[in-house]
This record gives sequence, structure tokens and C-alpha cells, in this order.
Amino acid sequence: DAGITQSPRYKITETGRQVTLMCHQTWSHSYMFWYRQDLGHGLRLIYYSAAADITDKGEVPDGYVVSRSKTENFPLTLESATRSQTSVYFCATRQSMNTEAFFGQGTRLTVV
Amino acid sequence: DQQVKQNSPSLSVQEGRISILNCDYTNSMFDYFLWYKKYPAEGPTFLISISSIKDKNEDGRFTVFLNKSAKHLSLHIVPSQPGDSAVYFCAASASSFNKFYFGSGTKLNVKP
Repeated sequence: DAGITQSPRYKITETGRQVTLMCHQTWSHSYMFWYRQDLGHGLRLIYYSAAADITDKGEVPDGYVVSRSKTENFPLTLESATRSQTSVYFCATRQSMNTEAFFGQGTRLTVV
Repeated sequence: DQQVKQNSPSLSVQEGRISILNCDYTNSMFDYFLWYKKYPAEGPTFLISISSIKDKNEDGRFTVFLNKSAKHLSLHIVPSQPGDSAVYFCAASASSFNKFYFGSGTKLNVKP
């Protein structure tokens, strides 16, 4: 009952491979978000979801795909990983747009 | 086009003194603002928030001020403690759209 969990914590993959980062929440929050953190850029929104089966693009969606068939899961897939996608990825959940968001511990992805 | 900006990448303060972290935003639709604290290798953790109907919110040593006309908010930490040393992110969201934007962060160093 960790609330929000991301897996894996660390991942090394090769250029061109497909890789999926998992995010699971136990709160049944409606909103879920994926961010990437890069030096000098802070947290940039990749994709978000307002509810199951509703997803939309954020600031930097290119090269990523998401799905949300169940409220509790929001996987992020890199269809063909590139070195520029080396980053730390954070998933977050939020009950409404007027409450705080809760973040997972992050996944450090390295693309070689 | 960065909608939330933190123009100071770093700030150094003596223990016991006040830390003031600043944040500017460009979208007048934003109506809810948050501050997060982040330690290395951890996810961001929620610190304090403020709704656009208020101009000040206080929680212990932390106070957030909102100046809507200037599209500016600030976080005051009094007194600063060495354990406050972390990266601080401001964030903004709007109830009329589901995106949730972060600034680039300010690294606070509180010297003993």
C-alpha cells in the first residue's frame, strides 16, 4: 500500500528498443501524469490522463505512447528509444486539479 | 514556451535566516499553485499550495505569497534549516484544463 509506485527504478536500454515504464496507484485518483526531469529544464509534462481511457499530450510527447485502460495504471512506452530520452521519469497522481499531486520515486532510464 | 519560470537556479542562505524562492507564470488561467521539494534520488514531495482566491497561505515555517497582477509567487522559509537544502519546484494548474506545469527548479543550500 505504497500509494504510487513506479517500476523499474533503474533501466538501461539500447537505442531503438521499445521500453515501458510502469506506474501504479492505489488511491483511485482520477488524474495521472508523466514527467521527465532533465538538468536545466525542471519537470516537463509528457502525457497526462484525466480518467481511464482519456489521455492527452503534454509539453514533450514525441516518441512516447501512453495508455490507461484501468484507473490505477498508467504505463509510458518509448516505442524506439533514443539517447535524448535518457532522463529521470516521474509519475504523479492527483485527485482533482485543486489538490496536491503525489509523485512516485522515479525511474532513471539510460539509453545507450 | 515555458509557462512557469524560476529564474534563480540556486540560492544560498545562512541557517536561521529567511529563504525566499521566486516563481513567475505567464498564463492568467492558472488558478492553483503549488511548491514541491525534491531531494536527490527521490520523487518531489508536496510542500504548500495556494488558490488564486488567496494572496497568502502559511504552514509552519513555510509561507507562499501570490501576486496575481504581477503573475508572481514566492515561497518564504523562516527560519531556514540545513535540512531544507533541496531543489524547490513551483507548479501551476488551472481547473479549466488538465495540464499541470512546473518551473525549472531552484536549488537551495542552507549553510550551518
